Amino acid sequence: DGGITQSPKYLFRKEGQNVTLSCEQNLNHDAMYWYRQDPGQGLRLIYYSQIVNDFQKGDIAEGYSVSREKKESFPLTVTSAQKNPTAFYLCASSISSGKGGSYNEQFFGPGTRLTVL
Amino acid sequence: SQQGEEDPQALSIQEGENATMNCSYKTSINNLQWYRQNSGRGLVHLILIRSNEREKHSGRLRVTLDTSKKSSSLLITASRAADTASYFCAPGDMRFGAGTRLTVKP
Repeated sequence: DGGITQSPKYLFRKEGQNVTLSCEQNLNHDAMYWYRQDPGQGLRLIYYSQIVNDFQKGDIAEGYSVSREKKESFPLTVTSAQKNPTAFYLCASSISSGKGGSYNEQFFGPGTRLTVL
Repeated sequence: SQQGEEDPQALSIQEGENATMNCSYKTSINNLQWYRQNSGRGLVHLILIRSNEREKHSGRLRVTLDTSKKSSSLLITASRAADTASYFCAPGDMRFGAGTRLTVKP
């Protein structure tokens, strides 16, 4: 079964703790993305990676970190520096990130809902 | 980079009616995509339209693109309760707007 998976589905964290969200894909996609979604809102881009061992900040990267050591994996760490981390986090992948006004179809995982207690 | 702006923010219709939602953007694009999100789930790709296409169909979906006006529309015909979801456009970028929340009443 090809697809993109995220774990866990629900995550609870105490204030001041770092937490890592998992994202794995077996679609052989080069590009991967992390988004944050707040209730009733759209998606905001946190980080994206176009190739292994390389990644770029999105629009709201502060308080987050990522790594891309393997093509199939793109974990997101929510650090204690993130002031309001409670949100729904979505990971996505695509064949490539494209450029110049031309982006490829993104495949999304089911999401992780993070709650800070 | 740019993101689309969907309009209206919310739309409520009866089953069987058509639903139209719009997307506007600011800079030129090579393609535009529409996605759907059911509550609490990931997004699902619906359709991609290229800049040299004016209209595209997929089942009950019809997408138009007017590059001169920098706008696109998504029409869902003969809507069903199962079409209740949020719909997002992505105009040539990896960014998404706030979406249109569609409610189809049975």
